[in-house]
Amino acid sequence: QKEVEQNSGPLSVPEGAIASLNCTYSDRGSQSFFWYRQYSGKSPELIMSIYSNGDKEDGRFTAQLNKASQYVSLLIRDSQPSDSATYLCALENAGGTSYGKLTFGQGTILTVHP
Amino acid sequence: GAGVSQSPSNKVTEKGKDVELRCDPISGHTALYWYRQSLGQGLEFLIYFQGNSAPDKSGLPSDRFSAERTGGSVSTLTIQRTQQEDSAVYLCASSVVIGGRSPLHFGNGTRLTVT
Repeated sequence: QKEVEQNSGPLSVPEGAIASLNCTYSDRGSQSFFWYRQYSGKSPELIMSIYSNGDKEDGRFTAQLNKASQYVSLLIRDSQPSDSATYLCALENAGGTSYGKLTFGQGTILTVHP
Repeated sequence: GAGVSQSPSNKVTEKGKDVELRCDPISGHTALYWYRQSLGQGLEFLIYFQGNSAPDKSGLPSDRFSAERTGGSVSTLTIQRTQQEDSAVYLCASSVVIGGRSPLHFGNGTRLTVT
């Protein structure tokens, strides 16, 4: 089982719809979770971080975390064609000598069509 | 500089040659990471530096790969006797670890092509 699992997609949604991206993880000790957006040919950029159970909203983005179910998701409201990118879920491994090291999922390709 | 800087942005090399990739992290960021991303794949962790020491080298694929960091700043990733499977985008990231929360800030990467 991979440490971080994402549906690779592609996920296609119409402009204005809600895009829902999901991620499950295996390490129950993980404390910090991140969503990165990566445009084709570009490096990943951080868009959301979440550390405690529940929802965290930032503009059109909402991150949801459920540690009991080992599940983290990203909702994008009012999706725009400019949101079309690969979305990477990442978690920070707990403890050990790699404090701050992130493990990434394979990424979900999102396409928002006009 | 304002962000993580990597050089070169592109590197084409012949199989068997050695290459050096450079990363200049954000000023004041003590943690530095190297990741590799192959075409259509996620990010694969290579090595992590805290200051000049590397507590975690577990992701280096073979002994052909090595990295160092000097002055708590610039890092160099060296690949000896390159192979075609080394072709990938090599990403460097830095962070400030504060209370266990340490988002990574990535550079634009070096695209390595081994012919």
